[in-house]
Amino acid sequence: RKEVEQDPGPFNVPEGATVAFNCTYSNSASQSFFWYRQDCRKEPKLLMSVYSSGNEDGRFTAQLNRASQYISLLIRDSKLSDSATYLCVVNIVGGSYIPTFGRGTSLIVHP
Amino acid sequence: EAQVTQNPRYLITVTGKKLTVTCSQNMNHEYMSWYRQDPGLGLRQIYYSMNVEVTDKGDVPEGYKVSRKEKRNFPLILESPSPNQTSLYFCASSPYQGGSNEQFFGPGTRLTVL
Repeated sequence: RKEVEQDPGPFNVPEGATVAFNCTYSNSASQSFFWYRQDCRKEPKLLMSVYSSGNEDGRFTAQLNRASQYISLLIRDSKLSDSATYLCVVNIVGGSYIPTFGRGTSLIVHP
Repeated sequence: EAQVTQNPRYLITVTGKKLTVTCSQNMNHEYMSWYRQDPGLGLRQIYYSMNVEVTDKGDVPEGYKVSRKEKRNFPLILESPSPNQTSLYFCASSPYQGGSNEQFFGPGTRLTVL
């Protein structure tokens, strides 16, 4: 299985900033994509799925570029509470189902 | 409340002493899996199960066993734990075999093997 790669960061940004993360994947058979959020060694929780047409949820926008094999997450108007690690997940769906996690990107939002 | 539970949450043990970490979900999910998370390595899948009595190896299955006798439970067994199995373990479940769906994670089990 091929890897999913993320810049580990940390991204250190002031409140109100806009920050973007990218995640590249190398297996072109990848079929579904997600961003999860993980707070300080707690369990990961789904932030949003990533659809081919791109999708937005409040301050968060996710996009997929199949040609270049990457997904992105844009956070606008960063809040202190956005500080966390953001995990990119890529699923290869077929005979088996093994989601592949990126190592995560750390975001620190400071006052 | 829909949830995935794991027990114990914290465990310190010694090399070679068999242990079991339980995982249970109350959402009637078909798919369940175990992950370990280590600094700098991210989440790596140990084993997964597509349904009752159906299990398969993930990326790092060595030293672990699982069973899926009931839909709701998916215990992780370490027959002879070693220090390199010291890690943070997460159980997860998902509603469909197709794999295009959200995974729900348990709170994690922090294991230390001395």
